[in-house]
Amino acid sequence: RKEVEQDPGPFNVPEGATVAFNCTYSNSASQSFFWYRQDCRKEPKLLMSVYSSGNEDGRFTAQLNRASQYISLLIRDSKLSDSATYLCVVNPTGNQFYFGTGTSLTVIP
Amino acid sequence: NAGVTQTPKFRILKIGQSMTLQCTQDMNHNYMYWYRQDPGMGLKLIYYSVGAGITDKGEVPNGYNVSRSTTEDFPLRLELAAPSQTSVYFCASSQGAGNQPQHFGDGTRLSIL
Repeated sequence: RKEVEQDPGPFNVPEGATVAFNCTYSNSASQSFFWYRQDCRKEPKLLMSVYSSGNEDGRFTAQLNRASQYISLLIRDSKLSDSATYLCVVNPTGNQFYFGTGTSLTVIP
Repeated sequence: NAGVTQTPKFRILKIGQSMTLQCTQDMNHNYMYWYRQDPGMGLKLIYYSVGAGITDKGEVPNGYNVSRSTTEDFPLRLELAAPSQTSVYFCASSQGAGNQPQHFGDGTRLSIL
């Protein structure tokens, strides 16, 4: 079983829509979780960390469900500039990070 | 702020050649990482380092070597290039251990022909 699994999409949504991505992880002892954004042919950039109680940053909301071992990312009022691939990242323990394959989002005018 | 700098940005190698991918960071981070990303795939950890003089293997270390003689630099060495090593290579650094986010360089696109 993969450490981290994501639906690759693609998700094609109109501007202003709300879209949500899920990511499941296999190691129940995982402690740290992140969402990164990666534009085409660019490096990953941190979007937000995911905290146990859930957290929000503007139009972006991240949630953690330890019982079901998944994290989610909700984007409200989608903008054209939100078009990118969103990577789920999990740190099971120690110093290694596991990346999901990414979910592709295209926001359509 | 330079952050994490990788060189070269692009390189084409012949099978069996060797090369070193350079990575340097100016944030005084102790932790540094090398990843490879194949098309449509997630990043796979090759090697990482928790400080100068300390390195350890990641998920996919075969065919690669690293060294960490200074806090700033973490070069990745390919000794005998193979077509399977065609990929995009990313270097990253972080302030501390697993609960700290990573900062990435802009990548090295490597083709082995």
